This record gives sequence, C-alpha cells and structure tokens, in this order.
Amino acid sequence: EIVMTQSPATLSVSPGERATLSCRASQSVSSNLAWYQQKPGQAPRLLIYGASTRATGIPARFSGSGSGTEFTLTISSLQSEDFAVYYCQQYNNWPPVTFGGGTKVEIK
Amino acid sequence: EVQLVESGGGLVQPGGSLRLSCAASGFTFSSYWMSWVRQAPGKGLEWVANIKQDGSEKYYVDSVKGRFTISRDNAKNSLYLQMNSLRAEDTAVYYCARRGGYPLGYYFDYWGQGTLVTVSS
Repeated sequence: EIVMTQSPATLSVSPGERATLSCRASQSVSSNLAWYQQKPGQAPRLLIYGASTRATGIPARFSGSGSGTEFTLTISSLQSEDFAVYYCQQYNNWPPVTFGGGTKVEIK
Repeated sequence: EVQLVESGGGLVQPGGSLRLSCAASGFTFSSYWMSWVRQAPGKGLEWVANIKQDGSEKYYVDSVKGRFTISRDNAKNSLYLQMNSLRAEDTAVYYCARRGGYPLGYYFDYWGQGTLVTVSS
C-alpha cells in the first residue's frame, strides 16, 4: 500500500497570499495524483487530477505540480472561500487508492 | 446535473448490520465504476470499496473484507453497501463517489453528501 504524507498539517495564510501545500508518496505514483478540497460539513470536491489538470469549474488560481513522489498544490491568491482542508490521493497502484492525512488552510 | 444521494445511515450496536444506498442521477450510471469512501469524525478520508460497471469486479479495503459487501443495480441507478459485524471503528460518514478518469485513472469526480453511521452500544 502506498502511503501519502501531507505537510504541513495546518497552514496559516492571509487572504490574498499564496499557499503552497505538499504531498509525498512512499513510492512513485507517476502523475496519478488528485487533490480535493473539503469544507466543514461538506463532501470533498475534486480540484486537480493527473497531478496538474484542473477539474471542471475549478478556478485558475489552483494549480498542481510534481510527479513521482513529490507533489505540490498551489493556491496563488487565497480567497475567503478557499479556507478548507485539502487532501491528496494517489491512484497509480490500486486497490487501494490512498489519501493523505490532509492540510488545513486557515486564516492567519 | 450529476447527483449522488446516500441514505440508510444511523445508530447501530456493535455486531449489528446496516445497508447503505446511493441513488444516482444525471449520468449513465451503468457506464461508471462506483465507490464508497468514509470519513471518521474529525479524521481523513478512507476508501472502502469499489465496483465495476457491470458488478463483475469488486475490491475492498482490508479492514472491511468479509464484513462489507458492495453491490449495484444498474436498472435502478443505485449503489449499495451491506455492512455486517459492525465495529466502533466503522463509525464514519460514508460517501458514495463516482470514478473519474476511466480506464487509466481512479479519482473521484463526484461525491454524494454522505450518510453518518454510528456504531455504539
């Protein structure tokens, strides 16, 4: 099973600033990585798949990069609606698909 | 519009059973792999099970093998999760999710709102 590790656990950012979230895989997952956003009381929402492709309707301020074992989600200028928990998920080797533990982006 | 609506959650005693349902609409249900993903209170996401379009392939996370059964009824556009021998650690919100990226990818492009399962005496 591939273990996904996200850092930091919590990221404090001011509105309008850039946020950079990291995700590391215990072995290579190529570009088979997705990112999700989850707000309190809501289901997760797909942001990025294929490590860097934005899902339908996702604003351009969200971007993904990386391959192999190191991945980054960047939010270029944080909006109020972006404060949430973000999860990465690998789907290179499944079953099982596996998720990272999440990064909470909070208001500084 | 794609919609996934779960039902069937509730409070159940340890060792008990529960059947979750997910009603799908807005897409051709029979063309998609489907999954259940759960989230324990205050915790992260955990994939539970998935099922191929025609039900011929099913996979489970190790912790539920032999206790949970995923199934589907394409005529009713519905996904199910039969949960037996429930344990306290199965307490979670259970989400129904659609697979995106077939045949090469396996991410979740649409999710239901979730149904809460609480296992407690």
